[in-house]
Amino acid sequence: QQPVQSPQAVILREGEDAVINCSSSKALYSVHWYRQKHGEAPVFLMILLKGGEQKGHDKISASFNEKKQQSSLYLTASQLSYSGTYFCIEGGSNYKLTFGKGTLLTVNP
Amino acid sequence: EPEVTQTPSHQVTQMGQEVILRCVPISNHLYFYWYRQILGQKVEFLVSFYNNEISEKSEIFDDQFSVERPDGSNFTLKIRSTKLEDSAMYFCASNLDREPRAFFGQGTRLTVV
Repeated sequence: QQPVQSPQAVILREGEDAVINCSSSKALYSVHWYRQKHGEAPVFLMILLKGGEQKGHDKISASFNEKKQQSSLYLTASQLSYSGTYFCIEGGSNYKLTFGKGTLLTVNP
Repeated sequence: EPEVTQTPSHQVTQMGQEVILRCVPISNHLYFYWYRQILGQKVEFLVSFYNNEISEKSEIFDDQFSVERPDGSNFTLKIRSTKLEDSAMYFCASNLDREPRAFFGQGTRLTVV
């Protein structure tokens, strides 16, 4: 059962903020966030392991709620380079990853 | 940053042929994976490999597929008797022991014609 992401797509103007949400019906061992540009491999953004954890670098950050069933990715002051598909991923046993369907983010000038 | 290397980057094959996709995981990693992404769709888990054996496989990973770590460095995915619907990007990934972050290769785009 894959994590559920919302929204499915979002269009921003450069400099605007966005939030991508991810939810699961069960507590997750870990949640991973990756970004993928068309035709390329997914690129690691961050992992959250603990309930209540918040993590971030530059203008991209993420949170993991106490019950470990919801995570959100925050993109502030978006840049053109932020465009791509963002995946929320459940990390499971043996480190197997279960990808969500992704959120297509488009940042326009 | 260490890299997972995949070859070839693009493979075109005729339906019914066998293909071998190759991956060189990061040298001290112990967990290895293959994932598949059909164009425009999500990334799907195929198989995980640890301690020289399959530790988990998805329902996609049927008898048509096999994996091997023949020489301690390469990790291969063999697809027998390819079908049109096998056309996809195939990603190899690896993990350190006790480290949840996966490192992905750049992928092999398989086109079955």
